[in-house]
Amino acid sequence: GENVEQHPSTLSVQEGDSAVIKCTYSDSASNYFPWYKQELGKRPQLIIDIRSNVGEKKDQRIAVTLNKTAKHFSLHITETQPEDSAVYFCAATSGAGNKLTFGGGTRVLVKP
Amino acid sequence: GAVVSQHPSRVICKSGTSVKIECRSLDFQATTMFWYRQFPKQSLMLMATSNEGSKATYEQGVEKDKFLINHASLTLSTLTVTSAHPEDSSFYICSAIGTPQETQYFGPGTRLLVL
Repeated sequence: GENVEQHPSTLSVQEGDSAVIKCTYSDSASNYFPWYKQELGKRPQLIIDIRSNVGEKKDQRIAVTLNKTAKHFSLHITETQPEDSAVYFCAATSGAGNKLTFGGGTRVLVKP
Repeated sequence: GAVVSQHPSRVICKSGTSVKIECRSLDFQATTMFWYRQFPKQSLMLMATSNEGSKATYEQGVEKDKFLINHASLTLSTLTVTSAHPEDSSFYICSAIGTPQETQYFGPGTRLLVL
């Protein structure tokens, strides 16, 4: 089955700096890669996603890049703000049925 | 976006009892829903895929007789934790596929504590 690795597990940045989270996946058939933000005790919220026919996607301060050949994708947050502090999860579809396999998560702390 | 609700949000029960958790898609029909379990400071682990009108598909290592899933309508899936034990204490989250297809929207989660 699919295996998704996510790095780093924790990330501390100064407010205004950029944050980058990287994920790799194992199943070359995976074609959908969402990113979720989860605050403590809350539900995961979809913040951006990318499909395998696209190399890059941007939404305001958030961007995601996908390298299908290398089987890795990354989340970029620019001009970080304290409210960006949360746990971020990458995920990839693992074949039929739209099942998602999640990475281990990255705890992001934005220091004011 | 699509809205998914869960009930209850928090439940405490005694060891050996059963607990039912409901997951509803409020403004869309969901032929497929998913159930996840999340332990503190860990990732989401898929337990099972719930398909409307058919049996659920369980992930390896998840006991289907312990975690009963029913998806009787296009807007409701239920997870029943039978004979709960302290090690079943966790955060249970459901999700439903909305539009566009493949996008999973999550419920707010149910925190289960088994004493």
